[in-house]
Amino acid sequence: AQKVTQAQTEISVVEKEDVTLDCVYETRDTTYYLFWYKQPPSGELVFLIRRNSFDEQNEISGRYSWNFQKSTSSFNFTITASQVVDSAVYFCALSEPSTSGTYKYIFGTGTRLKVLA
Amino acid sequence: GAVVSQHPSRVICKSGTSVKIECRSLDFQATTMFWYRQFPKQSLMLMATSNEGSKATYEQGVEKDKFLINHASLTLSTLTVTSAHPEDSSFYICSAYVQGRWAEQFFGPGTRLTVL
Repeated sequence: AQKVTQAQTEISVVEKEDVTLDCVYETRDTTYYLFWYKQPPSGELVFLIRRNSFDEQNEISGRYSWNFQKSTSSFNFTITASQVVDSAVYFCALSEPSTSGTYKYIFGTGTRLKVLA
Repeated sequence: GAVVSQHPSRVICKSGTSVKIECRSLDFQATTMFWYRQFPKQSLMLMATSNEGSKATYEQGVEKDKFLINHASLTLSTLTVTSAHPEDSSFYICSAYVQGRWAEQFFGPGTRLTVL
């Protein structure tokens, strides 16, 4: 069955520390997409990154980096030199085709990150 | 591009009343829109898939008669919570799906519903 696991419910770090948020997924499809979203207290989901199942290249965007490993079905997210503004809930999502052909998202349970000044 | 709006952003109503939430894709056409519900400190749960011109498909456990969905055009889907009760208080989020574009959904800012 399709599933996304974010085992870390809540993480607290001190500003400037690096932090890695884990995401493990399960799928039977060979074609799928993975996403990370940030949800600040306002509630609006902020898109961070997308990856398709054929592209295992790691990506770096400023202080953010992502490590996609199909062998372990993981798509982990690292924030280097964390800042207070990084405090939010982070969701990992798997998008794969449903029986109707439409791609549906399966969200993980989210990781609440608190960055302390 | 790919902006989705929701209206209202916040609504407080009395128990027993009906509330309508609008979801619009502002700069693109969306054949499919999704409706999610999020309770405090929980993840997003898919309620239903809305396709333009056809009936919505509801997820297991979601009451069709309570959560009425209408996808009247390629840019507008509405969710009506009928006879709302305090347990319906939640954060409702819509998204619009663009086929072929990375299977990506574009999310609205959400509507916070409080039923007194």
